[in-house]
Amino acid sequence: AQSVTQLGSHVSVSEGALVLLRCNYSSSVPPYLFWYVQYPNQGLQLLLKYTSAATLVKGINGFEAEFKKSETSFHLTKPSAHMSDAAEYFCAVRKKGYDMRFGAGTRLTVKP
Amino acid sequence: DGGITQSPKYLFRKEGQNVTLSCEQNLNHDAMYWYRQDPGQGLRLIYYSQIVNDFQKGDIAEGYSVSREKKESFPLTVTSAQKNPTAFYLCASSEQTPNEQFFGPGTRLTVL
Repeated sequence: AQSVTQLGSHVSVSEGALVLLRCNYSSSVPPYLFWYVQYPNQGLQLLLKYTSAATLVKGINGFEAEFKKSETSFHLTKPSAHMSDAAEYFCAVRKKGYDMRFGAGTRLTVKP
Repeated sequence: DGGITQSPKYLFRKEGQNVTLSCEQNLNHDAMYWYRQDPGQGLRLIYYSQIVNDFQKGDIAEGYSVSREKKESFPLTVTSAQKNPTAFYLCASSEQTPNEQFFGPGTRLTVL
């Protein structure tokens, strides 16, 4: 079995500051890892995914994430936060098959 | 435009009534999923279907039923046996290979 842990249910940053959202996974096999974003009362939108190619993955809206096998982590970062980044972010892990596990989510607030 | 549609966006029902949530996709995806989202709990899988006329229970299938008579459609019925049906319901689809899931806009169900 594998699961995902997102550290911090709520993160607050100032506009222009670094965004760091943490995700750790447990898996006995090389995983497929994803970050999704959700705006209020909407579905989830894929930000980026790791599928065992490059360990540094670039996504949409200036986000990127680095896969670190030794730390079993897949943290999401963005160098400079924008007001429009305020949303809820979900990390997800999926091994071969159809079982995808989502973290509990991290709500990002951006202060002006 | 290809995508996933869910209807209605908001749904109100009286306690004890069955209700069916619609999910349609024109992405030609074989696999479809239903998730339930509650505050602070991330997404929990209710049912998924890999091909037409086949579906499997997820983690919280009790009180729910599905059908998959057409590739494009995967309706979810919330029955009166579901103890706490008020939630945000998300439908998703994916290709056969273990790739990312694409999400619909969601249906918010409130049982009065």
